[in-house]
Amino acid sequence: TQLLEQSPQFLSIQEGENLTVYCNSSSVFSSLQWYRQEPGEGPVLLVTVVTGGEVKKLKRLTFQFGDARKDSSLHITAAQPGDTGLYLCAGARNNDMRFGAGTRLTVKP
Amino acid sequence: GAGVSQTPSNKVTEKGKYVELRCDPISGHTALYWYRQSLGQGPEFLIYFQGTGAADDSGLPNDRFFAVRPEGSVSTLKIQRTERGDSAVYLCASSLVSGGYNEQFFGPGTRLTVL
Repeated sequence: TQLLEQSPQFLSIQEGENLTVYCNSSSVFSSLQWYRQEPGEGPVLLVTVVTGGEVKKLKRLTFQFGDARKDSSLHITAAQPGDTGLYLCAGARNNDMRFGAGTRLTVKP
Repeated sequence: GAGVSQTPSNKVTEKGKYVELRCDPISGHTALYWYRQSLGQGPEFLIYFQGTGAADDSGLPNDRFFAVRPEGSVSTLKIQRTERGDSAVYLCASSLVSGGYNEQFFGPGTRLTVL
């Protein structure tokens, strides 16, 4: 059983569409991170959220941390083919991180 | 080097053999993490070091897996009596200090295939 559940598992959309992916848990985390991973490479950090209810924006990406610090969402506006990849959330407890299984996003031109 | 490097990039071995996977973290990073990623899954935590000591090894699946970081820099993940189920990409990451607020920088991974 995954500590962090990500949904949907797969998402295929057309260029220009908006999308939201989710990261849920029954556990409370001191912080939560979102990573993006491309084939053959390690994950690359996109954002860290720390405060319950926090919203962070990174260009067309908007990240939200749930009030209770158990869940998070990532919203992408006007998706582009370059957004294609595996999006992973990771929750911090103590000094280590636990990852979800990821959402595999494909944006078709 | 600018980033985390891992060697070899690919390793094919036979069931029952011993393998060593190496990780060179970013210079000056005190925390080092090992993860295992199976196809279609997120990274699964194995062990992390703060300096030379293993601060948390709760993710190691069994006693066939062992990792060392003798000088607080390079780390080696050792797998004895490999099994087909050990086949995965083994990722290493480092961060300046430990703690979930800190960015982990990942290497490209070692793809291990056990025949």
